[in-house]
Formats: sequence, structure tokens, C-alpha cells
Amino acid sequence: EIVLTQSPGTLSLSPGERATLSCRASQNISSSYLAWYQQKPGQAPRLLMYGASSRATGIPDRFSGSGSGTDFTLTVSRLEPEDFAVYYCQQYGRSSWTFGQGTKVEIK
Amino acid sequence: EVQLVESGGGLVQPGGSLRLSCAASGFTFSTYWMHWVRQAPGQGLVWVSHINSDGSSTNYADSVKGRFTISRDNAKNTLYLQMNSLRVEDTAVYFCARGRLYFDYWGQGTLVTVSS
Repeated sequence: EIVLTQSPGTLSLSPGERATLSCRASQNISSSYLAWYQQKPGQAPRLLMYGASSRATGIPDRFSGSGSGTDFTLTVSRLEPEDFAVYYCQQYGRSSWTFGQGTKVEIK
Repeated sequence: EVQLVESGGGLVQPGGSLRLSCAASGFTFSTYWMHWVRQAPGQGLVWVSHINSDGSSTNYADSVKGRFTISRDNAKNTLYLQMNSLRVEDTAVYFCARGRLYFDYWGQGTLVTVSS
């Protein structure tokens, strides 16, 4: 099973700052199979990015994704107040879907 | 508008059973793969089970294999999760989600608490 490790565990930033979140896979995965989600307290996750770099419907362009192989990145260019949340990466492989443990982006 | 609405959660004793339902609307349910994903209190997301569009193929996380059964009724636009031999560690919010490689729509979740 492919394990996804996200870092850092918590990111303390101020509104307007840039956030860079990392997701590392235990083995190579196709970028087509890598997605990112945002989850706020008490809410369901929301799909942000799929195929590593494609924004989901309605996602603002301050969110971007990149990476290949084992290393993937989610970047929020300028944090808005509504962006403070927990972010998860997720991959598909061999009829199994796995999530990273999450990165919490909190207000500094 | 795509909607997924879970129901059936509640308090159950260890060793007990529960059946969750997920009512789908706003899309052609019979053409989509569907999943259950759970989240223990204060913890991250864990994929539980998948079913393909016609119900002929299913997959499970090792932690629930042999205890949980996913199924669907395309005539009723409903996804199910039959959970047997429940354990304390199965306590979580259970979400249904739509998708193949990733999950583009999610329900709001239903809480399952396994406790004596």
C-alpha cells in the first residue's frame, strides 16, 4: 500500500502570506492519481485539485498544485481568511485509495 | 445540484451491527463509482470501501474487510454500508463520496459511535 506523508503537520501563517504544503508518496505514483482536499471543522472535505495540478470547479486560482513521482505540492499564493483549514492529499492505486494525515493551516 | 445525504448512524454496542444509507440526487447515480470514507474524532480521513457503477466490483480497506459490505440500489439511487461485528475503533463520521480516481462530491456524514 502506498503511504502518503504530509508536511508540515501545522503551518502557522498570516492572511496574505503564501502557504506551501508537501505530500510525499512512499513510491512513485502517476500525477493523474493525486488529489488535494480542504476540510473545515464540522464540514465535509472539498475537492481542490485533481490530477495533481487541475483545479476543481469553483476553486480560486490562488490555489495551485504541482509535482510528480513521489513529491507533490499544494500552494496557496495569498491566504484568505477562509483558507485556514486542514488540507489532505489523496492517491489512487491498485483498487485502493489512501489519504495523507493532513496539514493544518492556522492563523498566526 | 448534486446531493449526497447519509443516514443510519447512531450508538451501537461492540459486536453489534448497523446499516448506513446514502441517498443520491442531482446526477445519474448508476454511472458513478461510489465510496465510503470515515473520520474518527479529531483524526484524518480514511477510505473504507468502494463499489463500481453497476455493483459488480467492490473493494475494502483491510481494517473492515470481512466485517463491512458495500452495496447499491441504482433504482433507488442509494448507496449502503452494512457494518457487522463493530469495534470501538470503528467510531467515526462516515461520509459517502462520488468518484473514480478522486472524490468530487461528498455527503455531510453520519456519526457512528461504538461503545458499551
